[in-house]
Amino acid sequence: EAQVTQNPRYLITVTGKKLTVTCSQNMNHEYMSWYRQDPGLGLRQIYYSMNVEVTDKGDVPEGYKVSRKEKRNFPLILESPSPNQTSLYFCASSPSRQGHGELFFGEGSRLTVL
Amino acid sequence: GNSVTQMEGPVTLSEEAFLTINCTYTATGYPSLFWYVQYPGEGLQLLLKATKADDKGSNKGFEATYRKETTSFHLEKGSVQVSDSAVYFCALNAGKSTFGDGTTLTVKP
Repeated sequence: EAQVTQNPRYLITVTGKKLTVTCSQNMNHEYMSWYRQDPGLGLRQIYYSMNVEVTDKGDVPEGYKVSRKEKRNFPLILESPSPNQTSLYFCASSPSRQGHGELFFGEGSRLTVL
Repeated sequence: GNSVTQMEGPVTLSEEAFLTINCTYTATGYPSLFWYVQYPGEGLQLLLKATKADDKGSNKGFEATYRKETTSFHLEKGSVQVSDSAVYFCALNAGKSTFGDGTTLTVKP
C-alpha cells in the first residue's frame, strides 16, 4: 500500500530534550515536506526537499532541522524543543520534484513540549 | 510571496444544502491549485485539483474551477451530506507549498 508513515504519532517531552520525528514514504517520490498545524493558523511549511541531499526552508524553519540522506526518509529534528513547538506535525511527499503535484500526507504526529 | 485566502469558518449547513467555500490566491507564475480534506483525527487527503487556467477539478460531488482572471478556486457541492463534515484546505503548489487556514464544515441531519 502506498503510504507516508510518521513516527511517533504522539509524544510528550520536556524542554530541551532532543527528539526526532521520522517520516518514510514507499512511493519513490522525490519531493518531501514537513508542516505544522496550529489552531487558527492552518498548515505552515517548515522544510522541504526536492531531492536527496537537497533541503530548503519553508515559512517557519526556526528551531527545526531536517536531513535527506535517502530518497524515502525525511526526518524532522528538534535539537532543543520549546513549548511553542507544541503542535500537530505532518509529513508529505509528492511525485513531482518541483512540488507541483498532489501531496500525500502522513497521519500526523502530535507533539507536546512541557 | 504566494498566499491563499479562504473563507472563514466554521460553516454549518443542513443535509442536502448547497455548499460554497471561497478561495482566492496570489502567486507568481502558474501554480497548481488543490483542495484537501481533513477528517477528524486524520491527515489531509487530496479532494480535487486543477493544474491550469479554466481546468475544473471534481471528485465525490465536489467541484472547483481554476479562474485565472479572478485568481480564485472556489469549492462547491450541490447537496452536502453529514459525512462531508471535515476541515477543507485550499492550497497552491509551486515548489513551496502554501495552504489556506482551513474551513471547518459541519453538516447537520
